[in-house]
This record gives sequence, structure tokens and C-alpha cells, in this order.
Amino acid sequence: DAKTTQPPSMDCAEGRAANLPCNHSTISGNEYVYWYRQIHSQGPQYIIHGLKNNETNEMASLIITEDRKSSTLILPHATLRDTAVYYCIVRANTGNQFYFGTGTSLTVIP
Amino acid sequence: DAGITQSPRHKVTETGTPVTLRCHQTENHRYMYWYRQDPGHGLRLIHYSYGVKDTDKGEVSDGYSVSRSKTEDFLLTLESATSSQTSVYFCAISEHPAVSYEQYFGPGTRLTVT
Repeated sequence: DAKTTQPPSMDCAEGRAANLPCNHSTISGNEYVYWYRQIHSQGPQYIIHGLKNNETNEMASLIITEDRKSSTLILPHATLRDTAVYYCIVRANTGNQFYFGTGTSLTVIP
Repeated sequence: DAGITQSPRHKVTETGTPVTLRCHQTENHRYMYWYRQDPGHGLRLIHYSYGVKDTDKGEVSDGYSVSRSKTEDFLLTLESATSSQTSVYFCAISEHPAVSYEQYFGPGTRLTVT
């Protein structure tokens, strides 16, 4: 699976959009981009995933660049409950494992 | 939230003792996984199952065994616990192993081996 690079930490003001970047410059054509988050001491929570098109669901939006070498997870109106570690994962079509790196620790500030 | 429970949620045990962790799901998903999470290592796959009685090794399987006698239950056994197995263990389930299908994770079991 392709390696991803994320900033170790970010802050965001409550109510503002949180934009979490991820670099995956070695991504292959059959690899999907997944985002999970982990709130302290809980299991990882699925947020969203995509292949090449932008995706949106009730939790977030995923913007993937045209060359697919980077993506951005957008939480449109961050709340204190969004404080968590966010993991960007690039997953190949073979194999069963999700490779979680160290992620971005997002702190939403009141 | 996906119906996944893990038991026990916390356990302290002594070196050399066997330990079994249980993952139970109510989603009827065919695929189940055991991960461990340690500081600086992210989540690492221990074993996974692709059906009743069908299991395979993951990245860090040494010292662990698994069993799946029913669709809903996936057991992880530490045959002789060691201090290096102190970790947080997560179970995950998936409807399908294909890349387009997400995995859903349980709440975790914190295991301390003294």
C-alpha cells in the first residue's frame, strides 16, 4: 500500500471548517483513499473513502486532486467532539489490511 | 454504529498465562480481523478470518492464535502471554474484502501483561 504523509497536529476553531491534508504521491491507479478517525481510547471510526472523484457524506467531504497525489478531508463545521486523531489510508485492491500510520491529531478549540 | 462488541474491555494478566479475547458481531459480516495498537506503530493486523473456520495470518501473528466456529464470534488467544503483548486490541469486521468496502472497528480491549 502507498505511504501517506500527514501533518502531526492541527488546530481548528469551533464552527469553522477543518481541512486535513494528506499526501500520497506514490498512489497507484487501483488504490482507494480512506479516512478514519480515532477519538481517545475508542476504536477507529470510518469517515469516508474515494477513488478519484470527490465524495461527500453526512460526516465530511473528501477532495482528491486530479493527479490523485494528495487529498483533503473537510469537516464543514467542526465541533469539540471532532477532536480526534485522523488517519489517511491508501489501500490497494489486494490484501485485507488497513495500514494506519500515526495520523493528524486535530484539536477543535472553543 | 456497527454491532461489534469486545470482551473483556480491560484485562490484567501475568506473564506465561493464556488469554482469550472475544469479538462478537451482529452484522453477519463474513470478514473479521484482529489488530493491535501500540504507540508509534499505528494498528497492525494480527490475524483475520474470511469465513467460519477459515483464518489467515497477518503482519504480527507470532504468539497469537485465532478461532472462528460461528459467523458472529472471532476469538484471539495469546497462548503464553508476554509483556510485549501489552497493547490495545481491536476487532474489525467487513462485508467484503474488496478495497471499496470499509472495515468497522470494535471498542477495543486493553490488555496489560505483568
